[in-house]
Amino acid sequence: AQSVAQPEDQVNVAEGNPLTVKCTYSVSGNPYLFWYVQYPNRGLQFLLKYITGDNLVKGSYGFEAEFNKSQTSFHLKKPSALVSDSALYFCAVRLDTGRRALTFGSGTRLQVQP
Amino acid sequence: SAVISQKPSRDICQRGTSLTIQCQVDSQVTMMFWYRQQPGQSLTLIATANQGSEATYESGFVIDKFPISRPNLTFSTLTVSNMSPEDSSIYLCSVRGDSDGYTFGSGTRLTVV
Repeated sequence: AQSVAQPEDQVNVAEGNPLTVKCTYSVSGNPYLFWYVQYPNRGLQFLLKYITGDNLVKGSYGFEAEFNKSQTSFHLKKPSALVSDSALYFCAVRLDTGRRALTFGSGTRLQVQP
Repeated sequence: SAVISQKPSRDICQRGTSLTIQCQVDSQVTMMFWYRQQPGQSLTLIATANQGSEATYESGFVIDKFPISRPNLTFSTLTVSNMSPEDSSIYLCSVRGDSDGYTFGSGTRLTVV
């Protein structure tokens, strides 16, 4: 079985400050990890993914995430938050074999204050 | 990456009726997925739809309630049957493209009254 945990329902950060949205995973195998963002009344937009290789992954809109195998984490980060980053963020996982569908975390609402 | 056109974007339906949601992809894809996002919740996989075979449903979802068609490699429909207010959710389709990129439709916001 595979699962993803996003321990924070909401993260508040001031504009210009660094942000971190946490994600931990549980799989019995090699994980493929993803981050998506959802704006109100919109579908999911892809931010970045980790398949293999460099543990630090850079994605869209200045976001990055670091794959940490020992801590089974894949936290999303951005050096300087923008008000427009305020949205709902989902971490997702799948195995490198078998079932191809993504399993999503519960989501974290990011609120960036001006 | 693939582009998905999902219709309708929203609908308000009477209980006991059915709604069919369509997803059209601009390229051929083997795997399509249907998800449900209940209000304030995460995405839950309903089923995986591969062309030429029966859809595979997740625990808690049955074909009689959520029949799926996948007539070709660019199109799929999900029907929500005999609806009740508990079916009020956002329904999203998704495809797995090249390099393990997953694209999502814009979603169908369903309200059952």
